[in-house]
Amino acid sequence: QKEVEQNSGPLSVPEGAIASLNCTYSDRVSQSFFWYRQYSGKSPELIMSIYSNGDKEDGRFTAQLNKASQYVSLLIRDSQPSDSATYLCAVSFYFGSGTKLNVKP
Amino acid sequence: DAGVIQSPRHEVTEMGQEVTLRCKPISGHNSLFWYRQTMMRGLELLIYFNNNVPIDDSGMPEDRFSAKMPNASFSTLKIQPSEPRDSAVYFCASTPPGQTYNEQFFGPGTRLTVL
Repeated sequence: QKEVEQNSGPLSVPEGAIASLNCTYSDRVSQSFFWYRQYSGKSPELIMSIYSNGDKEDGRFTAQLNKASQYVSLLIRDSQPSDSATYLCAVSFYFGSGTKLNVKP
Repeated sequence: DAGVIQSPRHEVTEMGQEVTLRCKPISGHNSLFWYRQTMMRGLELLIYFNNNVPIDDSGMPEDRFSAKMPNASFSTLKIQPSEPRDSAVYFCASTPPGQTYNEQFFGPGTRLTVL
């Protein structure tokens, strides 16, 4: 399977801070990139998709894509305790192992 | 509208038994995916179908695993015989027609325990 790499964490940030999640991938021809959020015991749900180089913003979330570096990231501004979850990076249909985020009140 | 439906939600079986997991995709979606999730290996793609045809089954771990999609509204993943290392959460996901790689909508998963 195509390689999608993420730091497993946990990443701990205080409430109100910016959380930065990173992902690298191996397949240079990939065209579609996604970030999913998965709460413990639940199924993954999409929070962001990005297809072109650059930044894409949606509310408190910003996805960044750099195809030359094969790198995609997710920034969460004003982090809330409710953001505590595992964040999965997906390249096409292939998923990284996820980064666990803890937002401390 | 109903999301992706999976059954059963929990399955406990003994080694050597046959296990069948079921999935009903969202109506109108034309691609269906089976994933397995464990702590050690994360979310692994097992197989996916497009318009009921298997496109890529390279993730199926071995011949004990088989998947079918007899029509647009139903798919099964069968493990025969089951082994303790098959214990995992199995997710089914579907995507609507359109661009090649779309957002996936996941079912609630089936938690399989093989004793």
